[in-house]
Amino acid sequence: AQSVTQLDSHVSVSEGTPVLLRCNYSSSYSPSLFWYVQHPNKGLQLLLKYTSAATLVKGINGFEAEFKKSETSFHLTKPSAHMSDAAEYFCVVISSGGYNKLIFGAGTRLAVHP
Amino acid sequence: KAGVTQTPRYLIKTRGQQVTLSCSPISGHRSVSWYQQTPGQGLQFLFEYFSETQRNKGNFPGRFSGRQFSNSRSEMNVSTLELGDSALYLCASSLGGDSSEKLFFGSGTQLSVL
Repeated sequence: AQSVTQLDSHVSVSEGTPVLLRCNYSSSYSPSLFWYVQHPNKGLQLLLKYTSAATLVKGINGFEAEFKKSETSFHLTKPSAHMSDAAEYFCVVISSGGYNKLIFGAGTRLAVHP
Repeated sequence: KAGVTQTPRYLIKTRGQQVTLSCSPISGHRSVSWYQQTPGQGLQFLFEYFSETQRNKGNFPGRFSGRQFSNSRSEMNVSTLELGDSALYLCASSLGGDSSEKLFFGSGTQLSVL
């Protein structure tokens, strides 16, 4: 069965410093992986997705993630945090059942301080 | 292009009642999926519909049901409400042709069961 584990429930950074949100996955085959972001009182927005093409995936708002099969990881990074990045981030894998059945990690709440 | 619209935005019910939530997908999208978000369980997949047919279902009791109409609008129904059904219910739509395609989420319906 597919699953994802987000290693940090809360991450706090200063504005202008790098962001690293960690995610490990478990899958019996090559997975499709996503990062979604949820701002307060808003729906989820797709940041980026990996579907077995390039291992380094670039997303919106300066975020990127690297798929590392040897480490079963899909960490999300951004070189310089902005105040508007404060939100909850979810690492997601598609279930083997497909058809938009997404399996979400528990989420990482990112706080950005001035 | 209008986004995914969920109504109502907030709902308060009492135990034992039933509730119907509505989701209007982005024009042209034929797949609608539903997720439940709670602080304890996180985001969990409920079910997915495509062209009025349920293609996939999560691990929820039969009190949770849904349907999709010919115009792709979808409703989900929860009968005999329990306190634990209090949650944010999110709807997502996509074109429906590929399980790894981008999902567009609505802002959700916040259900409180008293």
